[in-house]
Amino acid sequence: DTGVSQDPRHKITKRGQNVTFRCDPISEHNRLYWYRQTLGQGPEFLTYFQNEAQLEKSRLLSDRFSAERPKGSFSTLEIQRTEQGDSAMYLCASSPKTGGSNEQFFGPGTRLTVL
Amino acid sequence: QQQVKQSPQSLIVQKGGIPIINCAYENTAFDYFPWYQQFPGKGPALLIAIRPDVSEKKEGRFTISFNKSAKQFSLHIMDSQPGDSATYFCAATPYSGAGSYQLTFGKGTKLSVIP
Repeated sequence: DTGVSQDPRHKITKRGQNVTFRCDPISEHNRLYWYRQTLGQGPEFLTYFQNEAQLEKSRLLSDRFSAERPKGSFSTLEIQRTEQGDSAMYLCASSPKTGGSNEQFFGPGTRLTVL
Repeated sequence: QQQVKQSPQSLIVQKGGIPIINCAYENTAFDYFPWYQQFPGKGPALLIAIRPDVSEKKEGRFTISFNKSAKQFSLHIMDSQPGDSATYFCAATPYSGAGSYQLTFGKGTKLSVIP
């Protein structure tokens, strides 16, 4: 399978705990994106990496959220001190740089439930 | 501020019908418009995309119509099948980057195709 992969697929945690999600993009895609999707809504942009550089962050990305892509390959998204409002599907997408295409290919998502 | 407005929220058609989903955008910097299909519990899958230099694009049973002056675009699904039952999202982004690659999504249309 050469698509975008995400781990874990589901995470249930108690309010106040920290959680970390991982995304492995399509091989050789140098752009990586994180989105959040709540029930009945479209995905909302959180942040974007080009290689290891985090170039854009949404206002949705509060200081409890941090994302990294240390070697320009996989990425992690950490949420500290989780709140019930953080319950959502967290989606990762990747796109190639060549050709100027902005085709973004999404992974299956990590569904977070905060109790 | 919702930059991409999508309608209808839900749609029911009979097998073989042609569902039409409409989107309107406000940001004139947008010039890449993809459509995504999402099944429950899965990530969005890229279906078809268009740039505003063409008024129509067809891929298989899926057609995008684009009206640049009205800032509107729509998805038509020819000969719809029960397997097309899913939620469809329109999205938009600046193609050339302009410092941003984030996709702005509509709220989605839940399509049901009945046999």
